[in-house]
Amino acid sequence: AQTVTQSQPEMSVQEAETVTLSCTYDTSESDYYLFWYKQPPSRQMILVIRQEAYKQQNATENRFSVNFQKAAKSFSLKISDSQLGDAAMYFCAYSFTQGGSEKLVFGKGTKLTVNP
Amino acid sequence: DTGVSQNPRHKITKRGQNVTFRCDPISEHNRLYWYRQTLGQGPEFLTYFQNEAQLEKSRLLSDRFSAERPKGSFSTLEIQRTEQGDSAMYLCASRKRGARNNEQFFGPGTRLTVL
Repeated sequence: AQTVTQSQPEMSVQEAETVTLSCTYDTSESDYYLFWYKQPPSRQMILVIRQEAYKQQNATENRFSVNFQKAAKSFSLKISDSQLGDAAMYFCAYSFTQGGSEKLVFGKGTKLTVNP
Repeated sequence: DTGVSQNPRHKITKRGQNVTFRCDPISEHNRLYWYRQTLGQGPEFLTYFQNEAQLEKSRLLSDRFSAERPKGSFSTLEIQRTEQGDSAMYLCASRKRGARNNEQFFGPGTRLTVL
């Protein structure tokens, strides 16, 4: 079974600084997607960034980038120039692509605090 | 595109009562998912529909839970004889079949409290 592990229950960062959130996963599949979702307090979950496993190039979305190490099954999120609005729960998630439901398997999340 | 909507946003009920939640996905999305999120945990998959067909159910979905998507549009999740352990946030998500990026769009959730 696929599992996703986020080893940092909480992280904090100073405004304008950089922070890295860790994620490891376990799968025997070769073709899959990895995601980072953001869940602000009392607000709905939104996608931050996605990575296709077959792509070697790390995904980047503005201030957000990932370090995808397929052999190590590691998928970390780097947030540059942190802003107060980045404060939220961040969930790493995995989705198997080949047929079936393509449901998301989530980690337990990392609570990010941004200090002014 | 008005996003995924869920109703009610909050539900408080007494143990043993039945509750029903509704999810309205993004209009052109034919895939609909239900997840459950308990305090301090990530969302866990419950069930999945493609159009009106329920194609996968998690073992988390006990006999007291039933989900429907009668016309392939909105979906309902019913919990019969609620228990305190059912207290959680119930999330609905949708996506378009064949969308290359596999992104699921989430609703705001229904928070259930069972007293």
